[in-house]
Amino acid sequence: RKEVEQDPGPFNVPEGATVAFNCTYSNSASQSFFWYRQDCRKEPKLLMSVYSSGNEDGRFTAQLNRASQYISLLIRDSKLSDSATYLCVVNGGNRDDKIIFGKGTRLHILP
Amino acid sequence: EADIYQTPRYLVIGTGKKITLECSQTMGHDKMYWYQQDPGMELHLIHYSYGVNSTEKGDLSSESTVSRIRTEHFPLTLESARPSHTSQYLCASSLPGTYNEQFFGPGTRLTVL
Repeated sequence: RKEVEQDPGPFNVPEGATVAFNCTYSNSASQSFFWYRQDCRKEPKLLMSVYSSGNEDGRFTAQLNRASQYISLLIRDSKLSDSATYLCVVNGGNRDDKIIFGKGTRLHILP
Repeated sequence: EADIYQTPRYLVIGTGKKITLECSQTMGHDKMYWYQQDPGMELHLIHYSYGVNSTEKGDLSSESTVSRIRTEHFPLTLESARPSHTSQYLCASSLPGTYNEQFFGPGTRLTVL
């Protein structure tokens, strides 16, 4: 099983729709989780951290399920500007606090 | 905006040349990283550092080398560039600990002819 696994997509979603994607991780000792956004030919930027209790930031909701070892990202009322690649990031679980990036899920919002 | 800088942003160079990609951050972060990313592909960690005089190789084998003489500076050097080195190189930094996110620089797009 890969350390961090994501559906590569692409997800083609009409504007205004709700879209959700998951990310699974293999190390049960992992301690922190993030979603990053990467636009084409740009650097990744932090979208949101994922807390055990789940967290929401506007149209974006992130959740963590430790029992099943996955995190999720929900985007409501999607906008054209949400088109990007979303990277799942898992940190910790061993001595050197290794950060693992997923391969990313490509999202295309259609007008 | 994160205070992490990379120069040059774009570099086109001939085979066999020695190059150094610069990365600097003004946030006082101890941890710094170099990633390699081809267009549309995943990030690959090639080097990282936990502080001054600390450097480690990442998951992807790379012919590049790094140094960390100052906290704010983490340059990457290729002694002899080859076409296979053509890629985007992204530098990142973070605070120590497991709960701190990485901040990325804008990247250097390298083309070796």
